[in-house]
Amino acid sequence: GENVEQHPSTLSVQEGDSAVIKCTYSDSASNYFPWYKQELGKRPQLIIDIRSNVGEKKDQRIAVTLNKTAKHFSLHITETQPEDSAVYFCAASAHNNAGNMLTFGGGTRLMVKP
Amino acid sequence: EPEVTQTPSHQVTQMGQEVILRCVPISNHLYFYWYRQILGQKVEFLVSFYNNEISEKSEIFDDQFSVERPDGSNFTLKIRSTKLEDSAMYFCASSAQGEGGYTFGSGTRLTVV
Repeated sequence: GENVEQHPSTLSVQEGDSAVIKCTYSDSASNYFPWYKQELGKRPQLIIDIRSNVGEKKDQRIAVTLNKTAKHFSLHITETQPEDSAVYFCAASAHNNAGNMLTFGGGTRLMVKP
Repeated sequence: EPEVTQTPSHQVTQMGQEVILRCVPISNHLYFYWYRQILGQKVEFLVSFYNNEISEKSEIFDDQFSVERPDGSNFTLKIRSTKLEDSAMYFCASSAQGEGGYTFGSGTRLTVV
């Protein structure tokens, strides 16, 4: 089955700096890669996603890049703000007609210091 | 914005007891999922449900677990005989399509004592 590794497990940055979180996956059939933000005690919330036919996607201060050959994808947050502090999870899936099982990485706790 | 609703938000149960966790997916969604998250750990897939049957399940989803869509709106997860290690946050999710992102509910924190 799919295995997703995520690094680093914790990341501390100064407000205004950039943050980069990296994930690798094992199943070459995976074709969908979402990123979720989870604040303490809350539900995971989708912040950005990318499909395997695209190499990069950007949405304001966040961007995701995908390297299919190397089987890795990354989340980039620019101009970080204290409210970006949360746990971020990457995930991967190879959808089929019956659904879309996500395999999550271990999470990165991002702390943005004011 | 439509939401996935889960009840209860917190359930405490004695080891060996049965629990039913309830979810109301977004109304026009066709695909339903249960995930769990042990405190401080990653989110783990349990089961997906489509067209009134289980489409995929993980190794975690053993004979103690079952899911049901008893009517047009509810989607339930039953744990027949709870164990201490079942203590976790259980998230329900739904999606309109079999691909792409989906919406998670706010979760049920299950504590087995």
